[in-house]
This record gives sequence, C-alpha cells and structure tokens, in this order.
Amino acid sequence: GENVEQHPSTLSVQEGDSAVIKCTYSDSASNYFPWYKQELGKRPQLIIDIRSNVGEKKDQRIAVTLNKTAKHFSLHITETQPEDSAVYFCAATNNNNNDMRFGAGTRLTVKP
Amino acid sequence: GAVVSQHPSWVICKSGTSVKIECRSLDFQATTMFWYRQFPKQSLMLMATSNEGSKATYEQGVEKDKFLINHASLTLSTLTVTSAHPEDSSFYICSAPRTGAYGYTFGSGTRLTVV
Repeated sequence: GENVEQHPSTLSVQEGDSAVIKCTYSDSASNYFPWYKQELGKRPQLIIDIRSNVGEKKDQRIAVTLNKTAKHFSLHITETQPEDSAVYFCAATNNNNNDMRFGAGTRLTVKP
Repeated sequence: GAVVSQHPSWVICKSGTSVKIECRSLDFQATTMFWYRQFPKQSLMLMATSNEGSKATYEQGVEKDKFLINHASLTLSTLTVTSAHPEDSSFYICSAPRTGAYGYTFGSGTRLTVV
C-alpha cells in the first residue's frame, strides 16, 4: 500500500518569510496529491492539490511542486502570515475510490 | 456541493458503553466512505473503508468487532465504537471521494471522550 512521509514535523518562520514542507510517497500508481490545513479540533481543509499530469501548481501565496520520478512533492507558502499557523498534511492516492494516505503532518508556526 | 455531514461533533460516554457516529453525504451518493482516527498531535490514520452494500475493509490492527461499520445506503455510513474505553478517546472523521471529480470531502469530525 501507499506510504507517505512528511518533513519537517515542526516549522517555525518569521512573518513574511517562506515555508516549505516536503513529502515523499511510495506507490507509483498514486496520481493525486492534496495538501490540507487543519486547525485544532477541526476537519482538514483542502488548500491546494496537484495531479500527476502536471509538475507545478500555484494559487496566490501557495504553490505545490511534484516530481513523479523521485516520488516527492512539496508545498511552498510565500509571504507567510500568522493566520497560516496550523498543521499541514500532505496526502497521496490514486483517487480511484481508493483510500488516501496522509503524511504525519507539519506544525507550522508563523511568528509576527 | 459534495458535503458530508457528521454527527455528533462531540460526545462523552462512560467506559463500557457504545457510541454511534454518523456520516451522511448530503448532495451526492457516497458509495465509499473512509473512517479515520486522529490522536492529539498526530496524523489521520485510516481505520477502515466502508462500501455501500458490502462489508467494510479494516486496516491492520483495527478490531472490526469493536469498531462496527455499517454502510446500508448510498448516503449514510455509521461507525459504532462498542464497549468504549478511555484509550478509544480520539477524534474520528469520515471522508468520501467526490463523484466525478478529484478530491475527497471530509465530515466535520467527532471528538469522543470516554470517561
């Protein structure tokens, strides 16, 4: 089955700096890679996703890159703000009604 | 669109009792529902996959007799924690693949506290 690894587990940045979170996956059949932001006690919220037919996707301050050959994908947040502070999870699935496996999560803290 | 309603949002129960958690797909048919458990400061761990009209598939280490899953209709999947113990206290959340689109929709989660 799929195995997703995520690093770092914690990340602290100064407001305005960039934050990068990296994930690797094991199943070459995986073709959909979402990123979720989760605040304490709430459901994960999809912030951006990427499919295996593209290498990069950007949405305002958030971007995701995918390297299929190396089986890794990364989340980039630029111009971080205190409200970006949360736990971020990467995930991978083949999206064929199969289960989605999550990374261990990264607790991002943005200091004002 | 693609909303999953999960109830209750939180529940406190006594050891030895059972608790039922419901997830309903409101505007689409969820033939598959994934059930996750999340302990404090940890990731979402897949417990089981329920499929409408058939038996659920459980992940290794998850007791199927303790965590009963029923997916009797295309819009409702339930998870019953039987004979709950304090170690079952956790955040339980369901998720369903969106029909005809990439992505998954999550329920709002249930915080279970067993005392």
